[in-house]
Amino acid sequence: DTAVSQTPKYLVTQMGNDKSIKCEQNLGHDTMYWYKQDSKKFLKIMFSYNNKELIINETVPNRFSPKSPDKAHLNLHINSLELGDSAVYFCASSQGTHGYTFGSGTRLTVV
Amino acid sequence: DQQVKQNSPSLSVQEGRISILNCDYTNSMFDYFLWYKKYPAEGPTFLISISSIKDKNEDGRFTVFLNKSAKHLSLHIVPSQPGDSAVYFCAASVEGAQKLVFGQGTRLTINP
Repeated sequence: DTAVSQTPKYLVTQMGNDKSIKCEQNLGHDTMYWYKQDSKKFLKIMFSYNNKELIINETVPNRFSPKSPDKAHLNLHINSLELGDSAVYFCASSQGTHGYTFGSGTRLTVV
Repeated sequence: DQQVKQNSPSLSVQEGRISILNCDYTNSMFDYFLWYKKYPAEGPTFLISISSIKDKNEDGRFTVFLNKSAKHLSLHIVPSQPGDSAVYFCAASVEGAQKLVFGQGTRLTINP
C-alpha cells in the first residue's frame, strides 16, 4: 500500500496544453509538498500545504495552481504548458518539518 | 543561489570499501540536515539525519558528520555494498520553515 502515490508517472503533452498531476498520501501527515527536479537535478520546492492551507509558494509562475481538497490530497494543475516545464515533479508529505516521504515522481515532457 | 551544494556529481567505490559523500551549505540558519537516497524511477527515501547540536550520527553502516564551522557535512557508508548504488541527496532545513533545501545529488556506483 503506497504511502505517497502520484499519477500519472509519465506525461507527454504539447505546448499550450493544460494538465494535472494528482497526489495522495495515506500517512495521516498534515503537510504536503510539490518539488520540481530540473535539468540540473536540483530538487526545488514549489508549494507547501498544511491542512489544506497554502504555506509556501516559491515564486512559481501562476500557470501552476495547486489544489488541496483535503489534507490527504494535493493536486497540481498546470496551464499553458511551456517547454521549460519539462521536469520530474515529486509530491511529498511530512508530519512536522522533517521526515519527508516522497512519491515516485511524474516525468513531464512538453513537446 | 544554491544554498546546499554537492560538488561531486558522481563517485565510484569498490565493494567493501568506504564511500564518502560530501555536502556544503551556505545558510548558517540551517539547523537540521538529512541525506536521502534515490533509485531510478523512484522518489527519494530518507536515509539518515543530524541536528545542528550534534557533530555525528550513526545508523548501522551509515554515519553522518557535521562540521558547522566549515558548513560541511559528509555521509560515510562502510562497508559499501552493491545495493548502495544510487543517487544521494543532501538536504537542509530551518526549524519551522516547512521546506527542505536540496543539493543536486551525487551518483554513487559500487563496483563488485
